[in-house]
Amino acid sequence: ILNVEQSPQSLHVQEGDSTNFTCSFPSSNFYALHWYRWETAKSPEALFVMTLNGDEKKKGRISATLNTKEGYSYLYIKGSQPEDSATYLCAFPNYGGSQGNLIFGKGTKLSVKP
Amino acid sequence: NAGVTQTPKFQVLKTGQSMTLQCAQDMNHNSMYWYRQDPGMGLRLIYYSASEGTTDKGEVPNGYNVSRLNKREFSLRLESAAPSQTSVYFCASRDKGIQYFGAGTRLSVL
Repeated sequence: ILNVEQSPQSLHVQEGDSTNFTCSFPSSNFYALHWYRWETAKSPEALFVMTLNGDEKKKGRISATLNTKEGYSYLYIKGSQPEDSATYLCAFPNYGGSQGNLIFGKGTKLSVKP
Repeated sequence: NAGVTQTPKFQVLKTGQSMTLQCAQDMNHNSMYWYRQDPGMGLRLIYYSASEGTTDKGEVPNGYNVSRLNKREFSLRLESAAPSQTSVYFCASRDKGIQYFGAGTRLSVL
């Protein structure tokens, strides 16, 4: 079974702080790495799909990098705002099986205090 | 744009009762999934359906059955609910690798 690890489990920052967290995944048979944002009482929403080593994606104040050779991705948030409070999930496609589903990490729960 | 719609949003069951969680998507996606989310765990796949008329077990299928009624709808049935099935259930559909989630069903089994 593929394993996707995220750290830290939770993070508390002040408004205006920049922060980052990590997703580790199997470096062999890499297809893609997904980041999802999940606000409390809402459904997870896709942030980024990253496919190439060295890829960097950006959406407003949020950006992500990818290292497929060593099997990790970083998510950065610049100048955190209270509305950034959410759980950030990374996921790895299970194309090795027949499912085509995503293997999710347990997430990093970010709380941004005003 | 409704996307993925799940009903009900909340449900409380007694042990041994049965119920069906409904999911429908209006994006014409072939693949649909049912996940459960428990505290301290990632989203875990219960069942999936690659296309209309096909279903397959995921990581945690015991105690559940599914039905892919047509391309739009994918339901999850608990035949005899157990307290261990207390969880938040998410339905999703997939297009070009990206999964689109419903708002979830919070289920408590007493």
